[in-house]
Parts: sequence; C-alpha cells; structure tokens
Amino acid sequence: DAKTTQPPSMDCAEGRAANLPCNHSTISGNEYVYWYRQIHSQGPQYIIHGLKNNETNEMASLIITEDRKSSTLILPHATLRDTAVYYCIVRGETGANNLFFGTGTRLTVIP
Amino acid sequence: KAGVTQTPRYLIKTRGQQVTLSCSPISGHRSVSWYQQTPGQGLQFLFEYFSETQRNKGNFPGRFSGRQFSNSRSEMNVSTLELGDSALYLCASSRAEVGGGEQFFGPGTRLTVL
Repeated sequence: DAKTTQPPSMDCAEGRAANLPCNHSTISGNEYVYWYRQIHSQGPQYIIHGLKNNETNEMASLIITEDRKSSTLILPHATLRDTAVYYCIVRGETGANNLFFGTGTRLTVIP
Repeated sequence: KAGVTQTPRYLIKTRGQQVTLSCSPISGHRSVSWYQQTPGQGLQFLFEYFSETQRNKGNFPGRFSGRQFSNSRSEMNVSTLELGDSALYLCASSRAEVGGGEQFFGPGTRLTVL
C-alpha cells in the first residue's frame, strides 16, 4: 500500500470548513484513498473513501486531484465534536483487510 | 444493529502473566482484524482473521496470537506480558472478504502491564 504524508496538526474555527490535506504521490491505479478519524481513546471511525472522483457523504467531502497524488478531506462546518486525529490511508481493493495507519493530522476545532 | 464489542474494556496485569482479549464483530461480518495502539508506535496492525483462518500478520513477536471461531468471534492472546505491551488493543470487523470496504472498530481494551 502507498505511503501517505499529512501535516501533524491543524486548527479550525468552529463553524468554518476544515480542509485536511494528504499527499500520496506513490499511489497506484487500483488503490483507493480512505479517511478515518479517531476521537480521543475511542476506536477509529470510517469517514469516506474514493478512487478518483470526488465523493461526498453526510460527514465530509473528499477531493482527489486529477493525478491522484494528493487529496483533501473537507468537513464543511466543523464542530467541537470534530476534534480528533484524522488518518489518510491508501489501500488496494484486492489486498489484505488490514489498514496501515500513519501518524495522521490532529485537528483541533476552536470555539 | 449492534456494533463491534470488545471485552474486557480495561485490564491490569503484571509482567509474565498472560491475557486473553475478546472481540465480537458486527453480525454478518466475517473478517476481524486486531490492532495495537501505543503513544510511541501509534496504531499498528497485529493480525487478521477470515473464516477462522489467519490471513495476515503484522510484525509482532510470537507471544501475540489469536484465533477466530465459527461464529466469527475472535480472541487474541498475549503470553509472558512485558511492560511494553501496555496499550489500547482495537478490534475491527469488515464484511468484505478482501481488501475493500469500511472497517468498523470496537471501543478497544486498554491493557496495563505493571
């Protein structure tokens, strides 16, 4: 699975959009981009995933660049409950069912 | 439907003891993965089971083992505990047979080794 690079921390004002970047320059054609988050001391929670088209669900939007070497997770209206560590993970659909977590981005939403 | 459950939630053991942790996946999920989370090493993959067979294993010593039962419930065992085994142990289940789809995590078991 391709390696990802994320900034270690970010702040966001409550009610504003949080844009979390991820670089995955070695991603291969059949690998998806997944995002999970982990609120303090809880199990990670799935947010969204995509291959090459932008994706949106009730939690967030995922924007993947045309060359697929980077992506951005967007939380449209951040709340205090969105304070968490966000992990960007790249994985293939035919490989093993395990996730390789990097260090993630610690997002702090400020009132 | 019920989520992934893990028991016990908290555990205190002493060095040299052994411990068994349990994970019940979401109904219908046949894949169960285990992870260890420590402040120093972050979230690391331990092993994955599918239909009672271990399919993948992370880079952990043989003291760490697991199994899966016919009802998909899984247990992991750590023998001869060391101080460094203190961690949050997370279990995740998935419907997917291979590679894809969402993994659902349990709340974890926090193990403290004294």
